[in-house]
Amino acid sequence: KAGVTQTPRYLIKTRGQQVTLSCSPISGHRSVSWYQQTPGQGLQFLFEYFSETQRNKGNFPGRFSGRQFSNSRSEMNVSTLELGDSALYLCASSLGDLPTYEQYFGPGTRLTVT
Amino acid sequence: DQQVKQNSPSLSVQEGRISILNCDYTNSMFDYFLWYKKYPAEGPTFLISISSIKDKNEDGRFTVFLNKSAKHLSLHIVPSQPGDSAVYFCAASAGNMLTFGGGTRLMVKP
Repeated sequence: KAGVTQTPRYLIKTRGQQVTLSCSPISGHRSVSWYQQTPGQGLQFLFEYFSETQRNKGNFPGRFSGRQFSNSRSEMNVSTLELGDSALYLCASSLGDLPTYEQYFGPGTRLTVT
Repeated sequence: DQQVKQNSPSLSVQEGRISILNCDYTNSMFDYFLWYKKYPAEGPTFLISISSIKDKNEDGRFTVFLNKSAKHLSLHIVPSQPGDSAVYFCAASAGNMLTFGGGTRLMVKP
């Protein structure tokens, strides 16, 4: 069974630009969560989608947004990029809710903002 | 304000010895705790978990202990192996949202 895939794996953008990251969950998984990993901050929760609906949202500014499609694929968008947005963005998918169902992480997209 | 903290950014142990990784949390609403292992260029992979109604869970070489009164959990790896060298994250959940600590880099020396 294929794992969670994220594209692109690496991305370099300039301040002020916008970026869209993509996540394809494991087949059959309907929940997709996004996390931001920065040095020293660990993984911080961005948002979670289930059946195209955002169910949970972390404490990030409105420049960070996401959506989920009917095939469960998800995208996240960051507008007006800032230097501090440089991070590894991780996507995780699951069949359902914790603790019954485990979250499986993709390899991440490394975003560098210059 | 970090609700989950791993105060040791790194830990070095000898192969065959015990590795103990610690994690503290502040939110009493957390009811499920997990440990993830992360290698470079890969996403975190689930290692072991514990419900708040238990104080210990074992899986092979890995044991997680939970002390609810102290809001503290620890991961014991016995015996440690060089392949265990990775970054370990503890995470806590209330609902379907995970809150992660900052991670501890474990280095197991042969």
